[in-house]
Amino acid sequence: NAGVTQTPKFRILKIGQSMTLQCTQDMNHNYMYWYRQDPGMGLKLIYYSVGAGITDKGEVPNGYNVSRSTTEDFPLRLELAAPSQTSVYFCATGQGNRQPQHFGDGTRLSIL
Amino acid sequence: RKEVEQDPGPFNVPEGATVAFNCTYSNSASQSFFWYRQDCRKEPKLLMSVYSSGNEDGRFTAQLNRASQYISLLIRDSKLSDSATYLCVVNDYKLSFGAGTTVTVRA
Repeated sequence: NAGVTQTPKFRILKIGQSMTLQCTQDMNHNYMYWYRQDPGMGLKLIYYSVGAGITDKGEVPNGYNVSRSTTEDFPLRLELAAPSQTSVYFCATGQGNRQPQHFGDGTRLSIL
Repeated sequence: RKEVEQDPGPFNVPEGATVAFNCTYSNSASQSFFWYRQDCRKEPKLLMSVYSSGNEDGRFTAQLNRASQYISLLIRDSKLSDSATYLCVVNDYKLSFGAGTTVTVRA
């Protein structure tokens, strides 16, 4: 039982490149979330999903896209990487919108 | 006003000491509350939920004050391993995270 798995763990991108951050869960949770955390700051919600085929914007969605074709997977796509997107990205899952969330161990992304 | 505000600290305490800190929230309709622990930029991990009547988990005690819209965390008999950043999390229709309170326990 791996819980929430994020890949890659680290990545360096050049400005304007694109990439997909992967998140997979084996907890059979309907709710999945993507957050970013900048140094010294709290987590900010980028996108979330309440089930396969359903996604919605969070607090800071600009520059990102998501899809949720299966319960298990919730990839986050950066189309045109910008230095402002340098951050640590966490994926999380939960059983409901008032339940605690379980986090993956993060993807550290630098855009130069 | 931020949805969730925390004193960033750091709280620097000796082993065995008691340390306590608060978190305020802006939405009076918020329904559930949690404390998470985050070590050195690793993933946040659930420490405990916060119940209306207050609750304990070993050396950790959480309290909720709805009238003043704050929750608190108290750590008794601090251990070196308690050094971390503690995130206050408030849930209305989504989870809102505070920026965290850093606690450093020294030998």
